[in-house]
This record gives sequence, structure tokens and C-alpha cells, in this order.
Amino acid sequence: QSVLTQPPSASGTPGQRVTISCSGISSNIESNTVDWYQQVPGTTPKLLFYSGDQRPSGVPDRFSVSQSGTSASLAISGLQSEDEADYYCAAWDASLHARVFGGGTRLTVL
Amino acid sequence: EVQLVQSGAEVKKPGESLKISCQGSGDSISSYWIAWVRQRPGKALEWMGVVYPGDSDSKYSPSFQGQVTISADDSISTVYLQWSSLKASDSAIYYCARLNGYYQTNGMDVWGQGTTVTISS
Repeated sequence: QSVLTQPPSASGTPGQRVTISCSGISSNIESNTVDWYQQVPGTTPKLLFYSGDQRPSGVPDRFSVSQSGTSASLAISGLQSEDEADYYCAAWDASLHARVFGGGTRLTVL
Repeated sequence: EVQLVQSGAEVKKPGESLKISCQGSGDSISSYWIAWVRQRPGKALEWMGVVYPGDSDSKYSPSFQGQVTISADDSISTVYLQWSSLKASDSAIYYCARLNGYYQTNGMDVWGQGTTVTISS
């Protein structure tokens, strides 16, 4: 059981916009920024966003994030087949004194 | 740009000890926090803890405190994850990852290739 809650799956067709949610509580998302990671099955995770909306170089601007209260979300516009992957949110939890992850969302491009 | 190179896959028996490594190359890891992340087969990522190689300060997730030891040898740019008595439930891929700032507020931007640990009698 992950501390942060994500839907287990999401899907969309090429060109569509999809959103993946991440829900937490006051000790994590409400008081700290969220990171997002992309993991193509069988490969190493890749950082998509950190410290809220900071995007590492190389991450396409088709990807965007938002955060409010105890929730955060990742949006992917102009969906491409290469976006098919697992997506994880993470945040520092001040009560647990640990970084906590969501359970991951498997994105399928139909 | 730093790369993190992890030690190879391990197959161990329950009760055995194990120490896996993660070496930085291309740049010093002295002034970066390095995290260990577990991924059991088909499961989500789990943050185990971090170490600061510059002074070997380490922090643990409550879920892993007392179960593993995270250490570093700054002289060879290497961090370690070790177990004193393995369990079948420790079977997983273990990743090391560099944090791009303070461990509480920043993401993991450089990842090792992962070390697969298999525990089987």
C-alpha cells in the first residue's frame, strides 16, 4: 500500500491529452513539492519534474504538472507512442521523514 | 556529467549477507545525496534511504530502518547498500540515484542501471 495514491492505469490515443493524478495528505503533498518519474518497463526510472514544476533538460514541454492542496497531477498533451510507460509521483513526508512514492500509473497509448 | 554504475546481479540464500555498490564516474559524488530505491517485481518504487558521501551522513525510511545499512566511501566515489541476513522478500531490483539537491526537497536526476537481487533457497 503506497502512501501516495495514483490510479493504476490510464490510456489515450495519439495526439490526445491525458492527466494522471496523485493524492496525498497534509504531511506530504500539501507541505512539500512533488517529483514525477517515467519508467518504461524494463528500464531505469527517469526524472520528469522536481521541486514542483522544474523540468530537467530534455523533457518535452508536452509534459506539465500542477499541484494544489493534497493533490498533484501530471498532464501529457499531444500523446505519442513513446509516452507509454509507468509514471510515479513522489514527495517528502514530514511525518515519516522519508520520501514516499505513489503506486504508479501504467499509461497505455491505444 | 556523473554516471552511477552499480554492481552486478546477485543470487543468495536466505540468511546470507550481501553488500552491493554504486560507483560514481565522470564527476564527484561527494557533494550530492545518493538514494537507494527498491522495486520488487511488478511493484512500485520504494525509497529506502540516502547517504551523503562527503561526510557519510545517512538517513533511512522507517520501513527500512534496521533492515539495511547504507554507507559510503568517498575516496572511491562509491556508496553501498548491505544486508546482514537476507530474506526472500528482499528479492528486487535496487537502484541508486543522485538527488539534485537537498534530499528532502529535490528529485533523483541520475540513476544507476539497477542491481537485481534474488533470494532463493
